[in-house]
Amino acid sequence: AQTVTQSQPEMSVQEAETVTLSCTYDTSESDYYLFWYKQPPSRQMILVIRQEAYKQQNATENRFSVNFQKAAKSFSLKISDSQLGDAAMYFCASSGNTPLVFGKGTRLSVIA
Amino acid sequence: DTGVSQDPRHKITKRGQNVTFRCDPISEHNRLYWYRQTLGQGPEFLTYFQNEAQLEKSRLLSDRFSAERPKGSFSTLEIQRTEQGDSAMYLCASSSLTGDRAYEQYFGPGTRLTVT
Repeated sequence: AQTVTQSQPEMSVQEAETVTLSCTYDTSESDYYLFWYKQPPSRQMILVIRQEAYKQQNATENRFSVNFQKAAKSFSLKISDSQLGDAAMYFCASSGNTPLVFGKGTRLSVIA
Repeated sequence: DTGVSQDPRHKITKRGQNVTFRCDPISEHNRLYWYRQTLGQGPEFLTYFQNEAQLEKSRLLSDRFSAERPKGSFSTLEIQRTEQGDSAMYLCASSSLTGDRAYEQYFGPGTRLTVT
């Protein structure tokens, strides 16, 4: 069984600053994917970034990057140059050839 | 690419009534997933299809829940004899098994169910 843990229920960041959201996971699968999703208030889930477990290079999508530590089963999300529009719930999720397993989420506030 | 769509967006029903939700996935996606999300929680898996075959059902999915994907395109999720505990957001997602974006799940806007 897979589990995903997000230990930070809430985080805040000043506009234009950098913030890191933490995630740890556990899986028995050898081949799996990790994802970060963003869910703005009352809006739909948006895929932010994905990481294939077999890749050593950390994924990057514009201002979003991950720090994937496979041995530690850690998968953190770094948001650089934070913008007001980044305020949302962020969910970490993992999957093999299986449905997604989500963490409980981190609510990110961006302070102007 | 019009994205994943769900209908209705909101449904209010009385306890004991049956409800049915529809999901239209991204057209070339062969996998379709149903999740349930309650306030302040991450989505929880309910069931998923590969083409028209239902491959897995969660233990969360009681006998009152049934899902279909008859032609491998749209899917329906029916809840019979609704209970107040069924109140939640029901999310649909789809993914492809091939290509650069394989296994990435794209979500619809959800159907918010309120059982009174």
